[in-house]
Amino acid sequence: SQQGEEDPQALSIQEGENATMNCSYKTSINNLQWYRQNSGRGLVHLILIRSNEREKHSGRLRVTLDTSKKSSSLLITASRAADTASYFCATSTDSWGKFQFGAGTQVVVTP
Amino acid sequence: DAMVIQNPRYQVTQFGKPVTLSCSQTLNHNVMYWYQQKSSQAPKLLFHYYDKDFNNEADTPDNFQSRRPNTSFCFLDIRSPGLGDAAMYLCATSRVRGLAEAFFGQGTRLTVV
Repeated sequence: SQQGEEDPQALSIQEGENATMNCSYKTSINNLQWYRQNSGRGLVHLILIRSNEREKHSGRLRVTLDTSKKSSSLLITASRAADTASYFCATSTDSWGKFQFGAGTQVVVTP
Repeated sequence: DAMVIQNPRYQVTQFGKPVTLSCSQTLNHNVMYWYQQKSSQAPKLLFHYYDKDFNNEADTPDNFQSRRPNTSFCFLDIRSPGLGDAAMYLCATSRVRGLAEAFFGQGTRLTVV
């Protein structure tokens, strides 16, 4: 079963604009990760945020986590055409530590 | 340098003909995962290994089997592929179960004819 649900399903923006996508989940988590997937390729890890953290940054990426609302957001600032990809959140919930992916947000950045 | 390598990148198999996908890693990670991803969907976990301990997801069909002969290699065997098994198969590794980032291979695109 899918743990995370992402919103929006698709997002189209112009270069230079910011892109924000959200991930909501159902049960308590150990951590939440964000991944990027270019079309037909494997997934690339972006950021891991632990359940006791509220915000993390990496370059143009900013991730927030609100465990009371069971939600996370990924912000990409000053987007570039190369940011065009699908973005997935993945949550780790149990003692086995396996993680499950949300449905993803497809982001298109036009020049 | 590629750290998780999947072979082949593209695999075409006949309906019902057994097929094996392979994954190797140079990271010496304890955990290896196999995911199935159908078009425009989320990756779906099939199984994972913690060292040699094998963990099957409850809804993974019996048609799918896996082997991990050593730390570096992991195989996905599909005993009798059906049309519904056409998908991208993704292998990933992690140093620690669920508590660290996962490194993915480029995937194997399986077509069943």
